[in-house]
Amino acid sequence: ETGVTQSPTHLIKTRGQQVTLRCSSQSGHNTVSWYQQALGQGPQFIFQYYREEENGRGNFPPRFSGLQFPNYSSELNVNALELDDSALYLCASTRKDGETQYFGPGTRLLVL
Amino acid sequence: AQRVTQPEKLLSVFKGAPVELKCNYSYSGSPELFWYVQYSRQRLQLLLRHISRESIKGFTADLNKGETSFHLKKPFAQEEDSAMYYCALSTYNTDKLIFGTGTRLQVFP
Repeated sequence: ETGVTQSPTHLIKTRGQQVTLRCSSQSGHNTVSWYQQALGQGPQFIFQYYREEENGRGNFPPRFSGLQFPNYSSELNVNALELDDSALYLCASTRKDGETQYFGPGTRLLVL
Repeated sequence: AQRVTQPEKLLSVFKGAPVELKCNYSYSGSPELFWYVQYSRQRLQLLLRHISRESIKGFTADLNKGETSFHLKKPFAQEEDSAMYYCALSTYNTDKLIFGTGTRLQVFP
């Protein structure tokens, strides 16, 4: 199962701008998680959505927000971009608790 | 706080040599442990999880609760094993994954 897609693949923004990243989960996967992977680091959990509601959040400020839609797609929104937001953003989907999470290829965001 | 530590950034071995990628964790409850792998230009994918007790591509990992470790081992490394390996844990009843910083395995011919 490798059907998780993300768009765009790359993105360049300037400090203070807003960005929306998109993820399309596999059909039937009602849980999506978002991770931030800075250069040289492992992925860090941002938040998770289950059936269109936030279901857990990591240590990220409120300017990181998300949405999940009934068609298994989801968005990560970041407001007031900072230089440290430059990273690879990964989404991962799963059918239910305890099952394998399937990762997308990621969106690489560069904030100048 | 939950934490995963992978002490080696890079591990280089020759083909046919044994491999052990170290992973230690910190969690007061009963964690679920995973190894994820990322091959060049590919997405992150699950290699194995401790509850399934499988051997995938010749790799095994045993959860040692006394030492809070989940080291990944393979008796004879292959060139195609060259990749980035991440150890991760999830806590009871959640899908949230806590990753280590990763170890790059290089297998030379």
